[in-house]
Amino acid sequence: QVQLKESGPGLVAPSQSLSITCTVSGFSLTSYGVSWVRQPPGKGLEWLGVIWGDGSTNYHSALISRLSISKDNSKSQVFLKLNSLQTDDTATYYCAKTVYYAMDYWGQGTSVTVSS
Amino acid sequence: DIVITQDELSNPVTSGESVSISCRSSKSLLYKDGKTYLNWFLQRPGQSPQLLIYLMSTRASGVSDRFSGSGSGTDFTLEISRVKAEDVGVYYCQQLVEYPRTFGGGTKLEIK
Repeated sequence: QVQLKESGPGLVAPSQSLSITCTVSGFSLTSYGVSWVRQPPGKGLEWLGVIWGDGSTNYHSALISRLSISKDNSKSQVFLKLNSLQTDDTATYYCAKTVYYAMDYWGQGTSVTVSS
Repeated sequence: DIVITQDELSNPVTSGESVSISCRSSKSLLYKDGKTYLNWFLQRPGQSPQLLIYLMSTRASGVSDRFSGSGSGTDFTLEISRVKAEDVGVYYCQQLVEYPRTFGGGTKLEIK
């Protein structure tokens, strides 16, 4: 069955970079996209970006200078990298299997705290 | 960016009753292919969001027929009939007609 699992560092210092890996199973990264969404504590959902099966990407315009999404199809892994972290980047980060009309399966999320 | 607005529910709902949750978009979500790119999610306490409805009115796999979606190009409704305790959580709508894919702020459903 379809599964996604995020793994991240938990704690990142301000101004440093965040790297999160989404490991998927049950579907091929060459056929489906993967989106990233984050949720600050007690707040709503914010879409960050998507990488499609052909490797093309779309990013949130507010983060485009700091955000990069890539993948390794052979390892079934998608990578999020966010640079120059600030305290308002503290959030739970989710990856989700994506088709053109929906984000249909989500991972459990990984919590990231930006603090010194 | 497209702004998605969701209202709060005025009161907790009694089990067995029906409830409507509204969502409004600052721009029409009707695309040139004739489909309306509005989805609904439920996030239960402590869980990841779960897709309920896609393309405004199509239930996702495994979703109860107690959930139904409807709307026009800019105004949308999620209706939940015979509300159960398991329906508690925050409901989000999301548009997919433009980047960035924006979400509404969420509507919290509580049961009396």
